[in-house]
Amino acid sequence: DIQMTQSPSSLSAFVGDRVTITCRASQGIDNYLAWYQQKPGKAPKSLIYAASSLQSGVPSKFRGSGSGTDFTLTISSLQPEDSATYYCHRYNSYPHTFGQGTKLEIK
Amino acid sequence: EVQLVESGGTLVQPGGSLRLSCAVSGVTLSDYWLGWVRQAPGRGLEWVADINQDGSEKYYVDSVKGRFTFSRDNAKGSLYLQMNSLRAEDTAVYYCRVGLNYWGQGTLVTVSS
Repeated sequence: DIQMTQSPSSLSAFVGDRVTITCRASQGIDNYLAWYQQKPGKAPKSLIYAASSLQSGVPSKFRGSGSGTDFTLTISSLQPEDSATYYCHRYNSYPHTFGQGTKLEIK
Repeated sequence: EVQLVESGGTLVQPGGSLRLSCAVSGVTLSDYWLGWVRQAPGRGLEWVADINQDGSEKYYVDSVKGRFTFSRDNAKGSLYLQMNSLRAEDTAVYYCRVGLNYWGQGTLVTVSS
């Protein structure tokens, strides 16, 4: 199975900062990668699909990039409401896998 | 507006069975792959199963193969997860998913004696 390694597992940043979260696949997955945001007690919310396509209604402060094995999610102009856990999701083949998650704290 | 409403989660004894349902509105279900994802308490997301548009292709995570069965009824706008031989490690919030974008609110399954 193709594994996803997500880093960092947690990070802390200030309002207005920009942060980057990384997912690395154990082998190439083209651009079959999605990113989700999950707040405590809530369902995941889709942010990005096909590595860099923004879901409808998601603000452009969220940007996905990458292809093959290395992918990034960049969040700009951080606001308190961006505090959440972020997951990558590989869907090029079965079984699908999620990254371990990155907990983002806004100071 | 797209809505997914799960039901069926409850406390069940090890070895027991449970059927989860997910009612979908606001989209044409037959256009989409569907899925189930679960999240154990305090843990990350785990992909469980997917089904194609007409139900002819189904995929499962190894840990549930032979125990869980995913089905869909496009006419009724619903998807189902039949879970048999439940184990303590199946305890989780189960989310139904339409495509990549649409997720239900989750239903809690607790397997305990």
